Amino acid sequence: EVQLLESGGGLVQPGGSLRLSCAASGFTFSSYAMSWVRQAPGKGLEWVAAVSGSDSNTYYANSVKGRFTISRDNSKNTLYLQMNSLRAEDTALYYCVKDVYGIVVVVEDYMDVWGKGTTVIVSS
Amino acid sequence: DIQMTQSPSSLSASVGDTVIITCRASQRISTYLNWYQQKPGKAPKVLIYVASSLHSGVPSRFSGSGFGTDFTLTISNLQPEDFATYFCQQSFNIPRTFGQGTKVEVK
Repeated sequence: EVQLLESGGGLVQPGGSLRLSCAASGFTFSSYAMSWVRQAPGKGLEWVAAVSGSDSNTYYANSVKGRFTISRDNSKNTLYLQMNSLRAEDTALYYCVKDVYGIVVVVEDYMDVWGKGTTVIVSS
Repeated sequence: DIQMTQSPSSLSASVGDTVIITCRASQRISTYLNWYQQKPGKAPKVLIYVASSLHSGVPSRFSGSGFGTDFTLTISNLQPEDFATYFCQQSFNIPRTFGQGTKVEVK
């Protein structure tokens, strides 16, 4: 069974840092691009970042560019999101998501497996 | 960034109804449009990809259409488990962007 399990969320002060992890199982992790998508309380979905499967090319939303870093360790089947300079508006449930293709820039791409999410709260 | 606008933001319907949700892109995106369903407290699930292809396991009462800038998600014979929020998402370019969501509620 394909599973994604996020961890690392919590309460952090504005300006602080947090690293999210996502443990993947049930599929060949290195063959697929992976994404982070967030959802602020009571709001819609926002794509945050994505990384290709094997060449590790990375892509970011403008709202997090320069502050967040997505990475992956294919030997550990784990996806990461390093979040620095956190702001109140980064408060959200962060989902780890598997893409259908191995490369992010495929236009036919979509997100077929979602984790349950980990909550990040940025507040003093 | 490509802006995705859904309408309506919410609607009320009854079991057995046909529901149509619209998604408009701020620029042409060919057929690179996906639809997701989200139930309260749960992660989203993909329903439709590339505008009209049904994802594996999704009931055939869900269908999608559209090209360019205007797209629709149709739910025929609405079932109790279909009351949820629906999001469109473009995959034409980066950053990927979602519509704001359409909540389908019980009339």
